[in-house]
Amino acid sequence: DAMVIQNPRYQVTQFGKPVTLSCSQTLNHNVMYWYQQKSSQAPKLLFHYYDKDFNNEADTPDNFQSRRPNTSFCFLDIRSPGLGDAAMYLCATSRRSGSAYEQYFGPGTRLTVT
Amino acid sequence: SQQGEEDPQALSIQEGENATMNCSYKTSINNLQWYRQNSGRGLVHLILIRSNEREKHSGRLRVTLDTSKKSSSLLITASRAADTASYFCATGSSGTYKYIFGTGTRLKVLA
Repeated sequence: DAMVIQNPRYQVTQFGKPVTLSCSQTLNHNVMYWYQQKSSQAPKLLFHYYDKDFNNEADTPDNFQSRRPNTSFCFLDIRSPGLGDAAMYLCATSRRSGSAYEQYFGPGTRLTVT
Repeated sequence: SQQGEEDPQALSIQEGENATMNCSYKTSINNLQWYRQNSGRGLVHLILIRSNEREKHSGRLRVTLDTSKKSSSLLITASRAADTASYFCATGSSGTYKYIFGTGTRLKVLA
């Protein structure tokens, strides 16, 4: 089945130790997104790509970087994780439906910072 | 800043009852989507309604959109325990593939 895959599902890292979260898709969608979601809150968009065009949200900390080497893969790098970066990180892709885009989400990676 | 505000924040109902949750937003939109999120999991797309539509149905789901009031509602009829989840609205503007999520409603359906 076509899907969005995130690895790992659970990640524990130490304060200040760089960490990379991975996302892959078999849907061949042009657009990929990274969201951060803290407990009982709405998903917050960090950045998104249209093909290789990268779009950073104005309030995304510099500590967060992203790479999209090809259509299928996208990575989220957190250069120096702080305790406040502990959250669920959601990857999504979208396909165009008329003038709208329906999003398909992966299961998420829960990041713990110790 | 968040586009959508949802109410209620939490809703608890008995199985078989209907559940209604509301979403209000601030600026003009091209479309609005509803998503479900089971605890600790990713979001699942439920239904999309465009700005020129007033109502859409999908199975037990009914969504309305009132662009003059900048609000939408999601009705789940004959709820089941499996409907227990958080529900989010997400708004999209014309010419963008970026969506802003609302604060969410946590629905609990008691068996």
